[in-house]
Amino acid sequence: QKEVEQNSGPLSVPEGAIASLNCTYSDRVSQSFFWYRQYSGKSPELIMSIYSNGDKEDGRFTAQLNKASQYVSLLIRDSQPSDSATYLCAAHPGGGADGLTFGKGTHLIIQP
Amino acid sequence: GAVVSQHPSWVICKSGTSVKIECRSLDFQATTMFWYRQFPKQSLMLMATSNEGSKATYEQGVEKDKFLINHASLTLSTLTVTSAHPEDSSFYICSASSGGTYEQYFGPGTRLTVT
Repeated sequence: QKEVEQNSGPLSVPEGAIASLNCTYSDRVSQSFFWYRQYSGKSPELIMSIYSNGDKEDGRFTAQLNKASQYVSLLIRDSQPSDSATYLCAAHPGGGADGLTFGKGTHLIIQP
Repeated sequence: GAVVSQHPSWVICKSGTSVKIECRSLDFQATTMFWYRQFPKQSLMLMATSNEGSKATYEQGVEKDKFLINHASLTLSTLTVTSAHPEDSSFYICSASSGGTYEQYFGPGTRLTVT
């Protein structure tokens, strides 16, 4: 079974610090990875995609991918209370599949 | 870009009636659309995947005769909950993908309450 694993949290980080969210995946052929943010009662919002090993930066967000370790992470710099949400990691399983495999999400709390 | 709309945003219906939810991709052609259900404080549960012009593929445990999915065009998919019961009350979310990069864009969701 192809799985994406995340620590459910809650992960509590003080305002202004770096929040580090981690994700592992089981399917070695996965090539595409995504981070979504979901506020309570709302639908998920795509914030980052990453396809190659290494880092990808977009504003305060940095996604990191290590295919050898089957590990994806999301760093949020200068964390703000508005970053408090559940963060979902997703992988495209390859093999012609249409959809993504989602993790169950990590609940992030930024403490003012 | 990549905007997906859903209608209605919330609906209350009586037990035994049917409810139709529309999902539209507004600025791109969605070769594939997905329907999810999410109960309070739980993770997303994929219900079905649909490709334009084809029958939907349902996940294990999802009743295809109860949750009717139609993907008639590259910008519109509908989910009809037939003979709804209180246990069908949930947050239904669609997403759409153009296929190229496998990114999925989510609609705002529809909150269904069955009384």
